[in-house]
Amino acid sequence: GAVVSQHPSWVICKSGTSVKIECRSLDFQATTMFWYRQFPKQSLMLMATSNEGSKATYEQGVEKDKFLINHASLTLSTLTVTSAHPEDSSFYICSRSRGDNQPQHFGDGTRLSIL
Amino acid sequence: QKEVEQNSGPLSVPEGAIASLNCTYSDRGSQSFFWYRQYSGKSPELIMSIYSNGDKEDGRFTAQLNKASQYVSLLIRDSQPSDSATYLCAVNPFYTGANSKLTFGKGITLSVRP
Repeated sequence: GAVVSQHPSWVICKSGTSVKIECRSLDFQATTMFWYRQFPKQSLMLMATSNEGSKATYEQGVEKDKFLINHASLTLSTLTVTSAHPEDSSFYICSRSRGDNQPQHFGDGTRLSIL
Repeated sequence: QKEVEQNSGPLSVPEGAIASLNCTYSDRGSQSFFWYRQYSGKSPELIMSIYSNGDKEDGRFTAQLNKASQYVSLLIRDSQPSDSATYLCAVNPFYTGANSKLTFGKGITLSVRP
């Protein structure tokens, strides 16, 4: 069964709205989780590493004030896209792994459409 | 810049054939290697992990790793139309603080013709 739960699966909203996406690790207390973005026909792009109890580590070029990450517990990380605009429309996916050298397992993803 | 390269696609094979997917990586210190399958509109799912040189078989899938050549491949035997998807090669780079961070290739799209 699924080991990572991600909600919502689909969001359509107006430009300027803030959108929160939740990612839960169902079988493991994950101190680290990952957030990716994927545009159509492109590969996964790592946005940030979410660290429980501390600040997220953002990849170069990702606006941390735009994409707020909160990892308040060992099973939940959230990504908030603030003041979303049409160019933020994308497929957002979270993941977690059990530790170093272990594979990541992904949530089902959230398709975000900003009108 | 740590890179993972996958040969350009798309790749088309007839049903029942062997599909061969290749991947090279630049970080010689990499320790773990993964293949993911991604159906259109879905998130990636893990199909194989490999950590040691040689072959690892799981059903119709065989992963091959050659660390000296910095090369990892995935063979799919008896390809089925349901195998049609994008396959992503992922490598765990070796540097302090990498933890379980992965570097992904761009993926190759496989199409299995009935």
